[in-house]
Amino acid sequence: DIQMTQSPSTLSASVGDRVTITCRASQSINSWLAWYQQKPGKAPNLLIYKATSLKSGVPSRFGGSGSGTDFTLTISSLQPDDFATYYCQQYNSYSLYTFGQGTKVEIK
Amino acid sequence: EVQVVESGGALVQPGGSLKLSCAASGFTFSNFWMTWVRQAPGKGLEWVANIKKDGSEKFYVDSVKGRFTISRDNAKNSLYLQMNSLRVEDTAVYYCARDDPGYGDTPDVWGKGTTVTVSS
Repeated sequence: DIQMTQSPSTLSASVGDRVTITCRASQSINSWLAWYQQKPGKAPNLLIYKATSLKSGVPSRFGGSGSGTDFTLTISSLQPDDFATYYCQQYNSYSLYTFGQGTKVEIK
Repeated sequence: EVQVVESGGALVQPGGSLKLSCAASGFTFSNFWMTWVRQAPGKGLEWVANIKKDGSEKFYVDSVKGRFTISRDNAKNSLYLQMNSLRVEDTAVYYCARDDPGYGDTPDVWGKGTTVTVSS
């Protein structure tokens, strides 16, 4: 099974900061990676798919990069609405998906 | 409006059974793979199972194989998760989600979740 490792687990940042979250796969997943944002008590919200594609309606301050085993989610200028937990998810293994353990973005 | 709505969550004793349902509306249900994802209290997301458009293929995370069964009724626009031999560690919010080929087959439309508590 493919394992996904996110870092850091928690990140403290201020409004306006550039924020980077990394996700590493235990084997190559090509570009079959998604990023989700989740707020407390709510369902996850898809931000990025196929590693670099921004879902329609998601602010352009969110960006994804990487391929193979190493991936990054970048928030170019953190906004108050962005304080949340972020998850990567691989969907390379045929219909066997795996999430990373999550990164909580907190107010510094 | 495109939406999925879960139901059926409850408090159940260890070893018991429960069947979750997910009602889909606003889209052609039979055109999409569907997925169940769960989240234990204070923990991260865990993919549980998914099912092909016509129900002919089903996949499960190892921890539920042999205990959970995913199914669908395209005539009723409904997805199900039959959960048997429940364990304390199955306690979680269970989300139903639509796998969207427009987004590389990753889950896009999610319900609000239904809570399953396994406890004596």
